[in-house]
Amino acid sequence: DAKTTQPPSMDCAEGRAANLPCNHSTISGNEYVYWYRQIHSQGPQYIIHGLKNNETNEMASLIITEDRKSSTLILPHATLRDTAVYYCIVRPPNDFNKFYFGSGTKLNVKP
Amino acid sequence: EPEVTQTPSHQVTQMGQEVILRCVPISNHLYFYWYRQILGQKVEFLVSFYNNEISEKSEIFDDQFSVERPDGSNFTLKIRSTKLEDSAMYFCASRTDRGSNQPQHFGDGTRLSIL
Repeated sequence: DAKTTQPPSMDCAEGRAANLPCNHSTISGNEYVYWYRQIHSQGPQYIIHGLKNNETNEMASLIITEDRKSSTLILPHATLRDTAVYYCIVRPPNDFNKFYFGSGTKLNVKP
Repeated sequence: EPEVTQTPSHQVTQMGQEVILRCVPISNHLYFYWYRQILGQKVEFLVSFYNNEISEKSEIFDDQFSVERPDGSNFTLKIRSTKLEDSAMYFCASRTDRGSNQPQHFGDGTRLSIL
């Protein structure tokens, strides 16, 4: 699976957009980009995933660059409850493939 | 929204004892997983399970560990003779069979404390 690189921490003001970057320069053509978050030792929570097109759901937007070597997760209006560790994971669509969780980005949303 | 549920939320066990962690995956999901997270460390894959058999396991998942789907709704992780280093959060996850790119959905975990 391709390796991902994320900043260890970021701050965001409450109500503002949080833009979390992820670098996956060795991504292969069939590998998807997944984003999860973990709020204080709860289970990882699925946010969004995509292959090459930008994706949006009720939680967030995922912007993938045209060369697919990086992506950005956007939380449009961050709240204090969005404070969490955010994981960017790249993996191919293999039925049994596990997820490799790196260290992620600790997002601190401040009032 | 359907979710993965895990019981108990916290399990305290004496070293050397057997422990069973229980999970109820999302009802129409067919792929099941266990992960663990030692305090302050990364989430680590343990095992994946499909069609009543293990499909993949990590080197952590040694002979002390076993998994079972005893009925149509439960998925269990058994640790036969617990060690101090088994203390961790254990997360169960499940996935639909509608496309291999579908995400895994995680429960909130069982905190296992070995004394």
